[in-house]
Amino acid sequence: AQKITQTQPGMFVQEKEAVTLDCTYDTSDPSYGLFWYKQPSSGEMIFLIYQGSYDQQNATEGRYSLNFQKARKSANLVISASQLGDSAMYFCAMREGVRGGSEKLVFGKGTKLTVNP
Amino acid sequence: EPEVTQTPSHQVTQMGQEVILRCVPISNHLYFYWYRQILGQKVEFLVSFYNNEISEKSEIFDDQFSVERPDGSNFTLKIRSTKLEDSAMYFCASGTSRNNEQFFGPGTRLTVL
Repeated sequence: AQKITQTQPGMFVQEKEAVTLDCTYDTSDPSYGLFWYKQPSSGEMIFLIYQGSYDQQNATEGRYSLNFQKARKSANLVISASQLGDSAMYFCAMREGVRGGSEKLVFGKGTKLTVNP
Repeated sequence: EPEVTQTPSHQVTQMGQEVILRCVPISNHLYFYWYRQILGQKVEFLVSFYNNEISEKSEIFDDQFSVERPDGSNFTLKIRSTKLEDSAMYFCASGTSRNNEQFFGPGTRLTVL
């Protein structure tokens, strides 16, 4: 089974509007971390936001917020007020066993976001 | 703002040749990682490194791969005898602790002919 599932291969949004990128995950470990990374066409991987499984509140970083629904095992990324520079691939990733577990990040296949002017 | 750097940005090699990919992690980071991304596919974990030894590796990281931290700043990935299927973007990452975010470098695109 896929650990991280991103069901939207591509998404389009109008500039200045909000967009939600979906991510569901699969783990039996009660302790885990969820990450979102942005990969522009230039290829680098840019860290955006992190959510710990025990965090009580949804993570926010500027225009990025994470809609964390633990019971549904989903960690959707919400980008508010989209900008042309937000056009990129977005990857959801998970690390299992935060306390003493694996260090590796397991990535989803990504969602390509295009922001239209 | 400190960042992870990688050299070269693009490496072309012949099948069977050895390559060394170089990374300079962020200076106060203690945890180091290599990932790869085959074109059009997802990012895959290769290896993690802490306290001068491998702490975790994936099934991809076989005997053809090795990592080293030869001095206080560099972190290298060596592929002993490259295969066509090693063609990918290789990302180095570093972090301050095992639980925090990993900061990625810009990647090295390896092309094996």
